[in-house]
Amino acid sequence: RKEVEQDPGPFNVPEGATVAFNCTYSNSASQSFFWYRQDCRKEPKLLMSVYSSGNEDGRFTAQLNRASQYISLLIRDSKLSDSATYLCVVNDDKIIFGKGTRLHILP
Amino acid sequence: EPEVTQTPSHQVTQMGQEVILHCVPISNHLYFYWYRQILGQKVEFLVSFYNNEISEKSEIFDDQFSVERPDGSNFTLKIRSTKLEDSAMYFCASSENPISPLHFGNGTRLTVT
Repeated sequence: RKEVEQDPGPFNVPEGATVAFNCTYSNSASQSFFWYRQDCRKEPKLLMSVYSSGNEDGRFTAQLNRASQYISLLIRDSKLSDSATYLCVVNDDKIIFGKGTRLHILP
Repeated sequence: EPEVTQTPSHQVTQMGQEVILHCVPISNHLYFYWYRQILGQKVEFLVSFYNNEISEKSEIFDDQFSVERPDGSNFTLKIRSTKLEDSAMYFCASSENPISPLHFGNGTRLTVT
């Protein structure tokens, strides 16, 4: 089983729609969880940390389900500028990236 | 906002040559990392470094790779005898503690010809 697994994508979504990304991880002892975004040929940038109680930052909501070893990211009212690759990142002694899910927001 | 800086932004080298990639982590961060990303592929962990020693390394980080913190600010990745398949984007990152998020530099694009 892969350490961090994400929806393969790409997602092509009209502007204004809601998008949901899913991620599963294999190590139940993983300690911390993050969502990053990566624009083409750029470095990954932290979007948000994911807390056990779930957390929200504007249009973005992250959820963690430790029992199912599952993380999600919801983007509401998507904008053209949200087009990027979204990376699920899990810390289990070393910090592991998922392959990422590419999102295209269509005008 | 403090940031991780990497130099050079692009390095072209011939197969078999040695390269050194440079990074200046955020000044109050104690944990340092190198990752690489081959074009179109995922971000892959290479090595983590804390307290002047390697704390974790991946299978990719074989004997041709080494890291060093030569002074209080720089963190370098050396690749001895580069191969064609070493061509990738190399990202340096740092964090305050082992469970806090990583902050990445802009990356060095290494092209081995």
